[in-house]
Amino acid sequence: DAGITQSPRYKITETGRQVTLMCHQTWSHSYMFWYRQDLGHGLRLIYYSAAADITDKGEVPDGYVVSRSKTENFPLTLESATRSQTSVYFCATEDRASYEQYFGPGTRLTVT
Amino acid sequence: EDQVTQSPEALRLQEGESSSLNCSYTVSGLRGLFWYRQDPGKGPEFLFTLYSAGEEKEKERLKATLTKKESFLHITAPKPEDSATYLCAVQDPDNAGNMLTFGGGTRLMVKP
Repeated sequence: DAGITQSPRYKITETGRQVTLMCHQTWSHSYMFWYRQDLGHGLRLIYYSAAADITDKGEVPDGYVVSRSKTENFPLTLESATRSQTSVYFCATEDRASYEQYFGPGTRLTVT
Repeated sequence: EDQVTQSPEALRLQEGESSSLNCSYTVSGLRGLFWYRQDPGKGPEFLFTLYSAGEEKEKERLKATLTKKESFLHITAPKPEDSATYLCAVQDPDNAGNMLTFGGGTRLMVKP
């Protein structure tokens, strides 16, 4: 009954490696989001999903891939990690009745 | 392009010293304005949603208000546990994907 969980919470990887960040929700909200948070840029939307098998780009999608085969899961993949992708990544879901978005605990990713 | 500006960037208060945080926004349309609290190393925690000018919401020592151009988060008699970064975000129905546009945040420090 945790709402949104993200894994891993911390990850260090090397430039060029593929990395997948996981997001799981227990609310069955149709909308899910991936944001990144960087000093000086605040929170920015990477990708979003309106439902299973429906995904679309946000503000900063380059270098990222998403999929959503099940309503509850929304993984984010960095196909070939770059140092500029060092950031804190947050997954969120939206309550369609109120448009309120609820965030997970985040994944701190460092690309060396 | 939607813009959200928060001021001040940082605010130091003594315990019990009331103050206000400002969130100015420019949007083509406003579906909602959202306030979040973020503690270090954690995801944003939802506080309030305001949908139309004149609306007010309260929760313990916090009160959020909304006009057509800005929102205020009033903190009455703050305690050290209110120390956190407060984020403001807007949702514009003209933007795809229910994206939230965030401000840079106000870092609040309450000294005992």
